[in-house]
Amino acid sequence: GAVVSQHPSRVICKSGTSVKIECRSLDFQATTMFWYRQFPKKSLMLMATSNEGSKATYEQGVEKDKFLINHASLTLSTLTVTSAHPEDSSFYICSASDRDSLVTDTQYFGPGTRLTVL
Amino acid sequence: GNSVTQMEGPVTLSEEAFLTINCTYTATGYPSLFWYVQYPGEGLQLLLKATKADDKGSNKGFEATYRKETTSFHLEKGSVQVSDSAVYFCALSGSKFYFGSGTKLNVKP
Repeated sequence: GAVVSQHPSRVICKSGTSVKIECRSLDFQATTMFWYRQFPKKSLMLMATSNEGSKATYEQGVEKDKFLINHASLTLSTLTVTSAHPEDSSFYICSASDRDSLVTDTQYFGPGTRLTVL
Repeated sequence: GNSVTQMEGPVTLSEEAFLTINCTYTATGYPSLFWYVQYPGEGLQLLLKATKADDKGSNKGFEATYRKETTSFHLEKGSVQVSDSAVYFCALSGSKFYFGSGTKLNVKP
């Protein structure tokens, strides 16, 4: 149980294009989903928290117009990197929780998406 | 505020050696504590968790005990295998998750 999938697993795009990453909870309803970014050999950096049907809450320093997050249903959240540039190249990981975001318990992580911007 | 501190890696061990990865935390309230494992090129997998003081989480031979008096949640395994080579993250839950910096474990045959 508690499986989270991400698609695509790997994407290469040209500078200036937009890329959408999907995160799905396969066997549970995800009240809250989280998007992280991980740099090589580093820990995870929380980018934003999203609750189904409401606007995402972004961490300080994360541009909400650049990283668009949509949590349209209890099983799907999407992250769109708009006008991507080489510095946006990274490993993006989503996670999902079945608890209210104010009382976060276990998070279940997706396998990650490797984004390379040329 | 909340934070997690993990021992610096990498940790290199021979197969069947005893493993300890230290994790200490600071927190307000009574958070749950977690260990996640990340294999190369993959996301994080929940390894074990403990939700209150003195709880012991265990899975696949790994154990960690929630020690409130020492604010620690050290990960241990009695006999490591080459397949345990990965990066291990300690984390605590609050209004969001707080992760340690990760500890890379290399197990040699």
